Amino acid sequence: KAGVTQTPRYLIKTRGQQVTLSCSPISGHRSVSWYQQTPGQGLQFLFEYFSETQRNKGNFPGRFSGRQFSNSRSEMNVSTLELGDSALYLCASRSDPKPGELFFGEGSRLTVL
Amino acid sequence: AQTVTQSQPEMSVQEAETVTLSCTYDTSENNYYLFWYKQPPSRQMILVIRQEAYKQQNATENRFSVNFQKAAKSFSLKISDSQLGDTAMYFCAFFGYGDDKIIFGKGTRLHILP
Repeated sequence: KAGVTQTPRYLIKTRGQQVTLSCSPISGHRSVSWYQQTPGQGLQFLFEYFSETQRNKGNFPGRFSGRQFSNSRSEMNVSTLELGDSALYLCASRSDPKPGELFFGEGSRLTVL
Repeated sequence: AQTVTQSQPEMSVQEAETVTLSCTYDTSENNYYLFWYKQPPSRQMILVIRQEAYKQQNATENRFSVNFQKAAKSFSLKISDSQLGDTAMYFCAFFGYGDDKIIFGKGTRLHILP
């Protein structure tokens, strides 16, 4: 079974630009969560999607948004990029009935210049 | 709101030694799950061990075991006979049915020295 796939793996943007990251969950997993990982803050929860609906949202500004498609693939978008958005963005999928156990992708490393 | 605290940002131990990573959490829920995740350098995060709060018996997975103290809201990870491959960032995590999401501590960077 293929794991969680994230694209692109690395990208460089400049302030003010926007970026879209993609995540394909493990086949059969309907839940996709996104996390921002930075050295100082660890992993911070962005949002979770389940069956195309946002199920949960973290404390991030509205510049961070996401969506999920009918095939469970998810995208997250960050608009008007700031230097502080430089981070590793991790996507994770999970399947019921094991609440909480997440399967992670390798991440998309975003650098904002 | 639930919080997870890892008080050791970085640790180093010699190969074959035993090491314990600390984690405390705060919650008002009675039923929840706790996890330790491992993130090796430049590799993806994987689940090491999980503990269900209603189970009093501490979880064990080969060389990895936990010391779950529910009243103290403490959840430490013990790695026995540590190996070079155990070098990684370790995250303690909490899942509660109230928030229905998993939150992480800031992590402990563990170095296993040859």
